[in-house]
Amino acid sequence: GAGVSQSPRYKVTKRGQDVALRCDPISGHVSLYWYRQALGQGPEFLTYFNYEAQQDKSGLPNDRFSAERPEGSISTLTIQRTEQRDSAMYRCASSLKGGQPQHFGDGTRLSIL
Amino acid sequence: ELKVEQNPLFLSMQEGKNYTIYCNYSTTSDRLYWYRQDPGKSLESLFVLLSNGAVKQEGRLMASLDTKARLSTLHITAAVHDLSATYFCAVDDEGTYKYIFGTGTRLKVLA
Repeated sequence: GAGVSQSPRYKVTKRGQDVALRCDPISGHVSLYWYRQALGQGPEFLTYFNYEAQQDKSGLPNDRFSAERPEGSISTLTIQRTEQRDSAMYRCASSLKGGQPQHFGDGTRLSIL
Repeated sequence: ELKVEQNPLFLSMQEGKNYTIYCNYSTTSDRLYWYRQDPGKSLESLFVLLSNGAVKQEGRLMASLDTKARLSTLHITAAVHDLSATYFCAVDDEGTYKYIFGTGTRLKVLA
């Protein structure tokens, strides 16, 4: 497709389970970003990749959160041992390269029961 | 720590009126972005402002950037109901490429 694609759109899981969220960026976009957006708030930065290299992971809340982009295209954000406070909208964005405008996907709504 | 503040947080206005949303930030970044978000939807890029004095206009919306004052404005002219949404500004954190978003301004245009 033409835009950033995220899957699943909705994920409901029990506390303590691991979840994996997927992002397929716009074709040709070198840079990929993950954000988390709480209800009524602006997105908060989590991590950022150039090609397959994770350039900045300063926004990951703790070591239960990790991300990868092994072939420089699709990225996966993994949350281990989920907690209720992890419930949020997780958004992915991509740009042609760092510093270029970011284009956002529709997000994955994660709910932890 | 970089902070981005928007005001007002909520704005209810009549159709046909003009209003301005303000975005203040605490870094020396020269790049500022405005996004629109409809309820339950993604963020739609409105404006990209890349230098001091930049002004961009699209329809009833006009955005400007004053990097010396660390201030951007989003001006709404003759508002219409279709402009009802939440508007976010975001600053490109200097030296990195992560966006720091403002708190958002929830705009409601009343018919």
